[in-house]
Amino acid sequence: EDQVTQSPEALRLQEGESSSLNCSYTVSGLRGLFWYRQDPGKGPEFLFTLYSAGEEKEKERLKATLTKKESFLHITAPKPEDSATYLCAVQGGSEKLVFGKGTKLTVNP
Amino acid sequence: KAGVTQTPRYLIKTRGQQVTLSCSPISGHRSVSWYQQTPGQGLQFLFEYFSETQRNKGNFPGRFSGRQFSNSRSEMNVSTLELGDSALYLCASSAGDQETQYFGPGTRLLVL
Repeated sequence: EDQVTQSPEALRLQEGESSSLNCSYTVSGLRGLFWYRQDPGKGPEFLFTLYSAGEEKEKERLKATLTKKESFLHITAPKPEDSATYLCAVQGGSEKLVFGKGTKLTVNP
Repeated sequence: KAGVTQTPRYLIKTRGQQVTLSCSPISGHRSVSWYQQTPGQGLQFLFEYFSETQRNKGNFPGRFSGRQFSNSRSEMNVSTLELGDSALYLCASSAGDQETQYFGPGTRLLVL
């Protein structure tokens, strides 16, 4: 069974303090690993898709990386508007998206 | 391009009732997936429809059902509501296999 574990559950940062979120996964035949951002009361907003180990993608202050067992979402010099819950999901041979429980990020000014 | 839309946004029902939720995918997207999100369990996959056929199903009881119409719009139905069905129900659409899923704003269901 495909599984995704995200850590930490919650993270508090000061504005400008860089950090990383972790997504560990087990999946049969990885088709894709997805990162989403979710604000309270809203649907998840797509950030990145990674398909193979070694792949990296960047968008503004965010950079996602992928190995055979885990993915990291690096946040460089975060701002308060980066506060949200970040969700990781994998799609394997079953084609279902399996989500982790998310990391709630709070960035204080 | 308009995003995924879901109606209604909020619903209050009582135990034993049934409910139907609606989802309109992004134009051109033929795959629609449904998820239940609760604080304890996170996002859990309910089912996926592609070209009016259920292609995948999660581990939910038969009270949860869905369908997709020829214009790719989808509905999900929950019969005999239980208190534990209170959740945010999310719909996501994609263009096809291995394509990114884009989520709607969700329908918040409260069962009293």
